[in-house]
Amino acid sequence: AQSVTQLGSHVSVSEGALVLLRCNYSSSVPPYLFWYVQYPNQGLQLLLKYTTGATLVKGINGFEAEFKKSETSFHLTKPSAHMSDAAEYFCAVNDAGGFKTIFGAGTRLFVKA
Amino acid sequence: NAGVTQTPKFQVLKTGQSMTLQCAQDMNHEYMSWYRQDPGMGLRLIHYSVGAGITDQGEVPNGYNVSRSTTEDFPLRLLSAAPSQTSVYFCARGLQDGNAYEQYFGPGTRLTVT
Repeated sequence: AQSVTQLGSHVSVSEGALVLLRCNYSSSVPPYLFWYVQYPNQGLQLLLKYTTGATLVKGINGFEAEFKKSETSFHLTKPSAHMSDAAEYFCAVNDAGGFKTIFGAGTRLFVKA
Repeated sequence: NAGVTQTPKFQVLKTGQSMTLQCAQDMNHEYMSWYRQDPGMGLRLIHYSVGAGITDQGEVPNGYNVSRSTTEDFPLRLLSAAPSQTSVYFCARGLQDGNAYEQYFGPGTRLTVT
């Protein structure tokens, strides 16, 4: 069965520092992978996705993620954190049938001034 | 609101009461879904639908019913509310991309069951 593990429920960085949020997945089929962001008291918003093709995926707000099949990872990065990046981030993978999306537990990103 | 509206925004129920959470989309997408969000557990799929008249269960369907009579609407019914159903509920519409759906979420309904 498909599953997603996000390493670290909380990550804290200084403004201007590198952001790295870790996601590992388990999938019995070629995975479709997603990162979503949730700002306080809002719904989730799609940041980026990997379906097929290029393994380095660029998303909104300067975020990118790299699909590494050998490591079963899909880590999210941003070179320079901004205060407005403070939010909760969720990694997700499709199930084998494609109709269900499995979400990780989430990582809350704090950005210090 | 990503083309998805949810009502109400907040609701308090007593144990045993029933209610319907409303969800509507304005993008004519076939796929819609309901999730609940609990601290430390991410989002868990309750039910989903791939078109009018077609619904199926997700990971945590017990205690909830859905129906899809139109493409636009996908209401979620709590049959007999329990404190364990205290949660934030999100409805989403889905855009198919190959063997998966990228989803667009509504603003959520915060439900408390006492």
